[in-house]
Amino acid sequence: KAGVTQTPRYLIKTRGQQVTLSCSPISGHRSVSWYQQTPGQGLQFLFEYFSETQRNKGNFPGRFSGRQFSNSRSEMNVSTLELGDSALYLCASSFGTKGQETQYFGPGTRLLVL
Amino acid sequence: LAKTTQPISMDSYEGQEVNITCSHNNIATNDYITWYQQFPSQGPRFIIQGYKTKVTNEVASLFIPADRKSSTLSLPRVSLSDTAVYYCLVGDYSTGRRALTFGSGTRLQVQP
Repeated sequence: KAGVTQTPRYLIKTRGQQVTLSCSPISGHRSVSWYQQTPGQGLQFLFEYFSETQRNKGNFPGRFSGRQFSNSRSEMNVSTLELGDSALYLCASSFGTKGQETQYFGPGTRLLVL
Repeated sequence: LAKTTQPISMDSYEGQEVNITCSHNNIATNDYITWYQQFPSQGPRFIIQGYKTKVTNEVASLFIPADRKSSTLSLPRVSLSDTAVYYCLVGDYSTGRRALTFGSGTRLQVQP
């Protein structure tokens, strides 16, 4: 099976702009989670989608949003970019019972905000 | 807010056994504990997952005590290619909603 794919892999934006990142899960996986990784804060949970519905949300401002499509593909959007949004954004797809799921990660999208 | 903590770094030599412990004192009752390996500029890679006692696969073992407030990843006979950052991941309900919480990561350096 093909792994989790994320596009684009690299992105440069300026403050105030918005950005949309895309994630294609492993075939058959219905849950998609997003994480932000920075050197200072480590890996932080953004949100999780299951069957097109947001199932869980981390502690991020409303500028961070996401959605999931009927084919389980997911997008996340960050509006009004700030310098501190520069990070590696990781998407993970999973299967299995909630709490027992195994997450498989994509390579990430590295976002640089200037 | 609950924290999932790990040692920041560890050093080892090729052929040795390495044990990395994660403390997760607010783990959700029904959640499993999962460990990942991450190399620079890559996404985390699944290593092992367990609920309690001991789990073993072809690359690692996972030890979980009865209270499940910690877990220990054991890597037998490490090699240079095991140099990476290792993370534990648990579900945490301390905020009232389940949040998947990564540990702070342990940077393992394996020397020849």
